[in-house]
Amino acid sequence: LAKTTQPISMDSYEGQEVNITCSHNNIATNDYITWYQQFPSQGPRFIIQGYKTKVTNEVASLFIPADRKSSTLSLPRVSLSDTAVYYCLVGGNGAGNTPLVFGKGTRLSVIA
Amino acid sequence: SAVISQKPSRDICQRGTSLTIQCQVDSQVTMMFWYRQQPGQSLTLIATANQGSEATYESGFVIDKFPISRPNLTFSTLTVSNMSPEDSSIYLCSVAAVTEAFFGQGTRLTVV
Repeated sequence: LAKTTQPISMDSYEGQEVNITCSHNNIATNDYITWYQQFPSQGPRFIIQGYKTKVTNEVASLFIPADRKSSTLSLPRVSLSDTAVYYCLVGGNGAGNTPLVFGKGTRLSVIA
Repeated sequence: SAVISQKPSRDICQRGTSLTIQCQVDSQVTMMFWYRQQPGQSLTLIATANQGSEATYESGFVIDKFPISRPNLTFSTLTVSNMSPEDSSIYLCSVAAVTEAFFGQGTRLTVV
């Protein structure tokens, strides 16, 4: 599984756009990039997944450059409730029967 | 999607005792995964539980310490045996769907 590197922590004010970048230099051809969100005292929750270019859903956007060696999770107009740890994972298509391997994640703190 | 119920949600246990954590899924799944999350840390995979066969443990985790049962396709248990304060963590079970993984709320274990 490709190793990922992301900032340990980030701070943002409410209403701002937050971009969290993840490096995955050794990503394999058939690897997907998936982001999970974890609130305190809860299990991680799927946010978004992509393979290349840009993916957008109701929660976030995921930008993946052509070389796929990095990706950026974009959270538009964050609120206090977006305070959480965000994990970038690289691996097969979805989780399937392969367990997820979590890196250290990025602790996002949203300030009023 | 999958809904996972974990019991207990939290417990305080005496050192030297054992605790069994239950994980119930609302649909049949082939694989179930158990993770540990130490305070302030990321998730670490303990083992993969496949119905009808012995669980597969990750490096650093052994069956004598963390015995796992998987009696059917919707249920699994993880036992934390002969507990010490170092076992104080959140334990989470997880299942995989087509494109994402689902997690229980976790069991917060404190060993005193």
